[in-house]
Amino acid sequence: AQSVAQPEDQVNVAEGNPLTVKCTYSVSGNPYLFWYVQYPNRGLQFLLKYITGDNLVKGSYGFEAEFNKSQTSFHLKKPSALVSDSALYFCAVRDGDNYGQNFVFGPGTRLSVLP
Amino acid sequence: DAGVIQSPRHEVTEMGQEVTLRCKPISGHNSLFWYRQTMMRGLELLIYFNNNVPIDDSGMPEDRFSAKMPNASFSTLKIQPSEPRDSAVYFCASSPWDSSSSYNEQFFGPGTRLTVL
Repeated sequence: AQSVAQPEDQVNVAEGNPLTVKCTYSVSGNPYLFWYVQYPNRGLQFLLKYITGDNLVKGSYGFEAEFNKSQTSFHLKKPSALVSDSALYFCAVRDGDNYGQNFVFGPGTRLSVLP
Repeated sequence: DAGVIQSPRHEVTEMGQEVTLRCKPISGHNSLFWYRQTMMRGLELLIYFNNNVPIDDSGMPEDRFSAKMPNASFSTLKIQPSEPRDSAVYFCASSPWDSSSSYNEQFFGPGTRLTVL
C-alpha cells in the first residue's frame, strides 16, 4: 500500500528566506509524486510533479521539488518566500506500476510566510 | 477553460434531509473523483469513476452516501439522510486517463461547503 507523510503540520518562514516543505513516501512500484497548494476557501491547485528523469522538478510560482529515491523524499522548495505563498500544501503519491487511479494525499502542511 | 464546476458552493441543511452535490468535469477528462475534507480526517477519497463507470467506492462512508455519473459531463454525490457528522467540504476533481498512464494530475473544483445542523 502507498502512503505519504508530511512530518510538519506547520512551517513558518520570513519573507525573502528560502522555504522547504517536507514529504516522504512509501510505494511498492515506481513513485509518481505531486505537490498541490490550497488557498483559503479554494480547491487544490497543481504545482508540480515528478514522473521520471531529472530529480529536480520545477513548477508553478517559482516552486521546485527534489526527488530523492534513497531517502524516499520529495521536498518542496522555493529560494525566496513571499507572503502570498502562505497556504496549505499537500504532497501526493501514486504507484506508477499500478494502473489504478488512486492518489494518496498527505495530511497537509500549513505554510506561513511572515512579512 | 471553465475548470471543474461544482454546485452549490455552500449548502446548509437540517439533519435527516437529502443533500445532492453536483459536479461538471473539465471537457475531455474521463476520470472523476469525489473527495471530502475535514479538519479531523484531512482529504479523503470517497469514490472515483473512469469513463462514467465507478471503479472504487471503498471510501464511501456508508450506505447513506451514493454517487452517480450518468454521462461524461455530470456527476452527483447524494447523502440521504444527512447527519451533522457529514459536515465538510466536498471536492470534485477530474483528470484525463488512459490505460497506459497514471501520471496525469487531477484538477479540483472549488468545493461545496456542507453544513448539517
